[in-house]
Amino acid sequence: KNQVEQSPQSLIILEGKNCTLQCNYTVSPFSNLRWYKQDTGRGPVSLTIMTFSENTKSNGRYTATLDADTKQSSLHITASQLSDSASYICVVRATAYNAGNNRKLIWGLGTSLAVNP
Amino acid sequence: NAGVTQTPKFRVLKTGQSMTLLCAQDMNHEYMYWYRQDPGMGLRLIHYSVGEGTTAKGEVPDGYNVSRLKKQNFLLGLESAAPSQTSVYFCASSYGRSTSYEQYFGPGTRLTVT
Repeated sequence: KNQVEQSPQSLIILEGKNCTLQCNYTVSPFSNLRWYKQDTGRGPVSLTIMTFSENTKSNGRYTATLDADTKQSSLHITASQLSDSASYICVVRATAYNAGNNRKLIWGLGTSLAVNP
Repeated sequence: NAGVTQTPKFRVLKTGQSMTLLCAQDMNHEYMYWYRQDPGMGLRLIHYSVGEGTTAKGEVPDGYNVSRLKKQNFLLGLESAAPSQTSVYFCASSYGRSTSYEQYFGPGTRLTVT
């Protein structure tokens, strides 16, 4: 069964500190992996999209890594800010194998990050 | 650009009532989607559309209907609301079918069915 598991479920860090969020998946065949940030009461916002051949991708203070062999990804946040407080969701897309491409986006439950002053 | 907008933001329905959620996007995107988000579950796709006049079922389509009469609008209808449909509903859009195209989400509609 295609699954996406994220850890930790929640995390509290102090402003200015770094943190790393984990995503393990069993989705096959794999197309790409996405990280989204979802602020409370808002819709998800895309941070990165990584394909099979990409190992690392950065977006400002956010750096995502992907190991397609071990089916693991991480999201590293550098020098955290209060505005980083949000849920971070890992989403894995399987390759299209039938009509309805978008039935194959498998969403994780997210890691809830709180950045305290 | 407003991006993706949703109306209403909040709604309380009684069991058996009907309602329509409206999603609008001003990015000229071909694809539009409706998701629901529930505690302890990842986002689940309800219905989607690959272009004006077309719709298709997602993972959890039962109890919902959709229409895409105009490219910029995607409507989600509940004909007879049930408490199990209490959820936060998100609309999203994307440029096309390439797997690299990201989805842009609206702010959500929080629906409670009593």
